[in-house]
Amino acid sequence: EVQLVQSGAEVKKPGESLKISCKGSGYSFTSYWIGWVRQMPGKGLEWMGIIYPGDSDTRYSPSFQGQVTISADKSISTAYLQWSSLKASDTAMYYCARRVQGVIMPGDYYYYMDVWGKGTTVTVSS
Amino acid sequence: EIVLTQSPGTLSLSPGERATLSCRASQSVSSSYLAWYQQKPGQAPRLLIYGASSRATGIPDRFSGSGSGTDFTLTISRLEPEDFAVYYCQQYGSSSFTFGGGTKVEIK
Repeated sequence: EVQLVQSGAEVKKPGESLKISCKGSGYSFTSYWIGWVRQMPGKGLEWMGIIYPGDSDTRYSPSFQGQVTISADKSISTAYLQWSSLKASDTAMYYCARRVQGVIMPGDYYYYMDVWGKGTTVTVSS
Repeated sequence: EIVLTQSPGTLSLSPGERATLSCRASQSVSSSYLAWYQQKPGQAPRLLIYGASSRATGIPDRFSGSGSGTDFTLTISRLEPEDFAVYYCQQYGSSSFTFGGGTKVEIK
């Protein structure tokens, strides 16, 4: 079974650092991009960025560039999302998800997120 | 950056009724790059539709997607109790994704 298992809930103070994880299993972890999605309390889904664990190629949403760091350790099939200095506004649920590139015909593809982790709740409060 | 606008924000319907959800893009989107997700309270999003009209594995055929260019639609032909949830459209472009703001389908 293809799964993404995320690390547990975190409670932190403003200014602290944090690294949360997303471990893939049941598939070739290095062959699929892993994306991160933020959901603030009571709000919608926001795309943060994506990483290809095969070579650590990483892309960020302009809204999150410089605010977070996405990384991966392919030896343990795990992707990470980290903050160097948390703010109260980082309080949210964070999901990782696997990106699929499906072939329609050579040069034409589908793109979507087919498997999602259950999410990691991050609470930042003094 | 392409902006996706979903309407209505909330849809109040009864079980058995038909639901029609709209997703409008600020510029043309390849149909191949348009997906729909369902999210229930306390759960992660679940893929429903990809490529604008292809159902994901295990998704009932009461869910259907259509559209092209800038206008896309998710239709639920007959609402079941488990379909009351929030629905998001998503598009892919320039190695990144964007989501619409969501439509909540609630019980009338």
